[in-house]
Amino acid sequence: EAAVTQSPRSKVAVTGGKVTLSCHQTNNHDYMYWYRQDTGHGLRLIHYSYVADSTEKGDIPDGYKASRPSQENFSLILELASLSQTAVYFCASSDPGLTEVFFGKGTRLTVV
Amino acid sequence: QQKVQQSPESLIVPEGAMTSLNCTFSDSASQYFAWYRQHSGKAPKALMSIFSNGEKEEGRFTIHLNKASLHFSLHIRDSQPSDSALYLCAVSANSGTYQRFGTGTKLQVVP
Repeated sequence: EAAVTQSPRSKVAVTGGKVTLSCHQTNNHDYMYWYRQDTGHGLRLIHYSYVADSTEKGDIPDGYKASRPSQENFSLILELASLSQTAVYFCASSDPGLTEVFFGKGTRLTVV
Repeated sequence: QQKVQQSPESLIVPEGAMTSLNCTFSDSASQYFAWYRQHSGKAPKALMSIFSNGEKEEGRFTIHLNKASLHFSLHIRDSQPSDSALYLCAVSANSGTYQRFGTGTKLQVVP
């Protein structure tokens, strides 16, 4: 069964600290994405990747880095967490034609 | 940068009614159009997608696309309380890159 697994599911981080959000997919998809969701903003694309060892900037990349060490794994890194990065983060995977798009259950990040 | 906007922001409809949700986009070169449904506290889940002008029906759901008007819509026939959720539209300039999402329409279907 298609799956995208995110960890952790929730996290409280201190301002200025480093945060790593992890995503693992078993769909054999080439594309993986990181979105953040805030009330009133839908889903906004942070970074995406279409091949291992390569990442691309999305619409709101500032303050975030991404890493794709393998086809299955895609991480989002906040080097210096800030209050404005409090949000729910979703990872997704898809095939090249977007005929299959699966989301993970999300990570609720609270920066204090 | 592509702008994707949804209307209305929220909607309350009685059970059994027809629900219509709207999405407009700004890039006429867009190739892929989709609707997602997100129940409270859950992940978004793909509902339907369309690539060419016209309409597509799957069960109670119909998607209409008019590229010339930069508009597509989702219609839900015989709306059910279980349809209550946040509905997100998404547009991709070239299928196989990434999608941009609208801000969502919150639908509540009341018995």
